[in-house]
Amino acid sequence: GQQVMQIPQYQHVQEGEDFTTYCNSSTTLSNIQWYKQRPGGHPVFLIQLVKSGEVKKQKRLTFQFGEAKKNSSLHITATQTTDVGTYFCAGPARLSSGSARQLTFGSGTQLTVLP
Amino acid sequence: DTAVSQTPKYLVTQMGNDKSIKCEQNLGHDTMYWYKQDSKKFLKIMFSYNNKELIINETVPNRFSPKSPDKAHLNLHINSLELGDSAVYFCASSPGQGDYEQYFGPGTRLTVT
Repeated sequence: GQQVMQIPQYQHVQEGEDFTTYCNSSTTLSNIQWYKQRPGGHPVFLIQLVKSGEVKKQKRLTFQFGEAKKNSSLHITATQTTDVGTYFCAGPARLSSGSARQLTFGSGTQLTVLP
Repeated sequence: DTAVSQTPKYLVTQMGNDKSIKCEQNLGHDTMYWYKQDSKKFLKIMFSYNNKELIINETVPNRFSPKSPDKAHLNLHINSLELGDSAVYFCASSPGQGDYEQYFGPGTRLTVT
């Protein structure tokens, strides 16, 4: 089935440093979504990108969708301890069953911010 | 008001037992899901229901049986629990299938001993 891959799996940064996580799909995506899961919490929707080359910002977070709509990135400027958590990208893809199109999550990047 | 709720939050049980997890959403969404999250945080879709109809059954053992009495509820029953079933199970909902953002419940941490 179609896959959504995400790197790195883990990232430790010092507070104030920047952080980036990357997402790649084996096929073109109609859109890409990003979620954040705090430790002990549940995934929370952050944003959706739809257009080729789209860039969106939420305060210190910058989201990009690649020109070919097969990759995306999330960049956090000057990380804070509140940024700790796992960041997931997700894109609609056909699963191994080959039937319905379903939001497929990347493996996530676990971010640790050291004070 | 909690948008997507799950009960129980924690579930500790022995191998071989049968248990159920309940999920309710008050968002008026048509589609609901069950995910399993392992210790490495990987989120794996298990089931998807649209308007009470099963849409996706992603190669889940038939010990797992979802039931949707109405489109606001999706319950998960697990028979003959195994050690490998230990994980966090998330219920989620979305306005429709495929392209819509999903809203997750708080999760149920299942521990099988």
